[in-house]
Amino acid sequence: NAGVTQTPKFQVLKTGQSMTLQCAQDMNHEYMSWYRQDPGMGLRLIHYSVGAGITDQGEVPNGYNVSRSTTEDFPLRLLSAAPSQTSVYFCASSYSSRTSPLHFGNGTRLTVT
Amino acid sequence: AQTVTQSQPEMSVQEAETVTLSCTYDTSESDYYLFWYKQPPSRQMILVIRQEAYKQQNATENRFSVNFQKAAKSFSLKISDSQLGDAAMYFCAYRSSLTQGGSEKLVFGKGTKLTVNP
Repeated sequence: NAGVTQTPKFQVLKTGQSMTLQCAQDMNHEYMSWYRQDPGMGLRLIHYSVGAGITDQGEVPNGYNVSRSTTEDFPLRLLSAAPSQTSVYFCASSYSSRTSPLHFGNGTRLTVT
Repeated sequence: AQTVTQSQPEMSVQEAETVTLSCTYDTSESDYYLFWYKQPPSRQMILVIRQEAYKQQNATENRFSVNFQKAAKSFSLKISDSQLGDAAMYFCAYRSSLTQGGSEKLVFGKGTKLTVNP
């Protein structure tokens, strides 16, 4: 089982460029989410989805878009990268049950210059 | 909105000794779920232990146990017989039991960096 797969692992962008962080899971999880991790800030929720076709904003959604066309995939789009988006990004998924723990991808380190 | 507070940005422990990491949370709900995650330098997020608020018994997983004090809204993690491999960032997290929209979210504390000294 691959679990949660994130690509790429590292990325450097120039201010204003766009890109998509990919996330795929093979566990048939209904719930998927994106977090960003910054030093001293913990993990902050960007967007999440409770099923195909359903997405909602988290704590820090500005500058990011998501879509969920299939159960397996949940890409995160940066339309116009800014230095403030330099961070480590994690995709995570779980079953809808509240007791179900999140399964995390290995993260993407993004630097915006 | 729920908040999770980890008041110890850094902790250290001698190998083979015991250390306790603190976590408090704020909620008006009576039923919820609490988690501890470990993040070693590899950056991978690993579930350490989980606790259901309606269960009075403290969860235990090998050398890891929690002290869950519901009235005090406290959820500390105790690591016994600390090993070098326990060195990591530890995150406390809260998840609502409600079925209303948005309650599936996991809310994280800011983390505690644990150093294990040989």
